[in-house]
Amino acid sequence: EIVMTQSPATLSVSPGERATLSCRASQSVGNNLAWYRQKPGQAPRLLIYDASTRATGFPARFSGSGSGTEFTLTISSLQSEDFVVYYCQQYNNWPQTFGQGTKVEIK
Amino acid sequence: EVQLVESGGGLVQPGGSLRLSCAASGFTFSSYWMSWVRQAPGKGLEWVANIKQDGSEKYYVDSVKGRFTISRDNAKNSLYLQMNSLRAEDTAVYYCARGGEFDIWGQGTMVTVSS
Repeated sequence: EIVMTQSPATLSVSPGERATLSCRASQSVGNNLAWYRQKPGQAPRLLIYDASTRATGFPARFSGSGSGTEFTLTISSLQSEDFVVYYCQQYNNWPQTFGQGTKVEIK
Repeated sequence: EVQLVESGGGLVQPGGSLRLSCAASGFTFSSYWMSWVRQAPGKGLEWVANIKQDGSEKYYVDSVKGRFTISRDNAKNSLYLQMNSLRAEDTAVYYCARGGEFDIWGQGTMVTVSS
């Protein structure tokens, strides 16, 4: 099983600032990496797929990068609705596995 | 509108059974792999099982193998999860999700395993 490790567990950022979230895979997953955003009490929502493709409805302030074992989600200017939890997930190998999540909180 | 709606959750005693359903609408259900993903209270996400478009392939996380069965009825645009021999650690919100990268999620249904 591929282990996905996200860092940091909690990220404190001021509104309008840049946030950088990391996700590391225990072995290569190619570009088969997705990011999800989850608001409290709601289902997760696909944010990025294929490591860098933004899903429908998300603005350009969200960007994904990386391949192999190292991936990054960057939010260029944090808005109020961005202070939630983000998960990475690999879908290159069975079982598909998620990271433990990064909570972005207001500094 | 593309939508997934889960149902069937509830409170069940350890060792009991539940059958979850997921009704799909707004897209061609038979064209997609479908999955169940769960989230224990206050915890992260865990993929549980998935099924190929025609039901010919099914995969499970090790912790539910032999206890859970995923199935689908393309004529009814529905996905199912039969859960037997339930344990306390199966307590979670269960989501159905579309595709390999989960681009559509339902709102979830809560399963509580407790005596």
